[in-house]
Amino acid sequence: RKEVEQDPGPFNVPEGATVAFNCTYSNSASQSFFWYRQDCRKEPKLLMSVYSSGNEDGRFTAQLNRASQYISLLIRDSKLSDSATYLCVVNMRSGGSNYKLTFGKGTLLTVNP
Amino acid sequence: EPEVTQTPSHQVTQMGQEVILRCVPISNHLYFYWYRQILGQKVEFLVSFYNNEISEKSEIFDDQFSVERPDGSNFTLKIRSTKLEDSAMYFCASSEGIPGQALSGANVLTFGAGSRLTVL
Repeated sequence: RKEVEQDPGPFNVPEGATVAFNCTYSNSASQSFFWYRQDCRKEPKLLMSVYSSGNEDGRFTAQLNRASQYISLLIRDSKLSDSATYLCVVNMRSGGSNYKLTFGKGTLLTVNP
Repeated sequence: EPEVTQTPSHQVTQMGQEVILRCVPISNHLYFYWYRQILGQKVEFLVSFYNNEISEKSEIFDDQFSVERPDGSNFTLKIRSTKLEDSAMYFCASSEGIPGQALSGANVLTFGAGSRLTVL
């Protein structure tokens, strides 16, 4: 099982659509979880952290299921500006007290007019 | 908003040459990182650095690579004897706290805009 695995995509949706991305992770000792977005040839930027109880930030909702080692991101009312690659990022213990961010390969979203 | 700055934005070098990529982390951050992303592939961890020493490194970060914090503001990645497969975008990042700690804004990584390295 890959350390962090995401829907391969790409996703092409019309403006206003709702789209969901899924992600699974292999290390049950992982402590924290994030969704980043990355525009073409740009740096990853934090979209939202994922809390155990699930959290919402405007049109974005993140869910975490520790038992299933599964994370999701839901985007409602998609905008053209949401077009980007969405990266599932997991903070994994790499030995002792060290942690490192491990990235999924990303899922490309294109929102069409 | 504070940001991580990286130079150069793009460097072209010949195979076998040495390159130094520079980063200025956010001023109150204590933890520094280098990641790389080969075109079309995922972002990969290279190394983390805290308290003037490497705290973690990946299998990619072999003897060809080194990091240094030469002064109070810069954090550099040196790649010796570059190979074609070193061509990638190299991202520097910094965080205020330890990512493994309980979730808080202090533990979030902020990335620089990246340095694109092209090895010919």
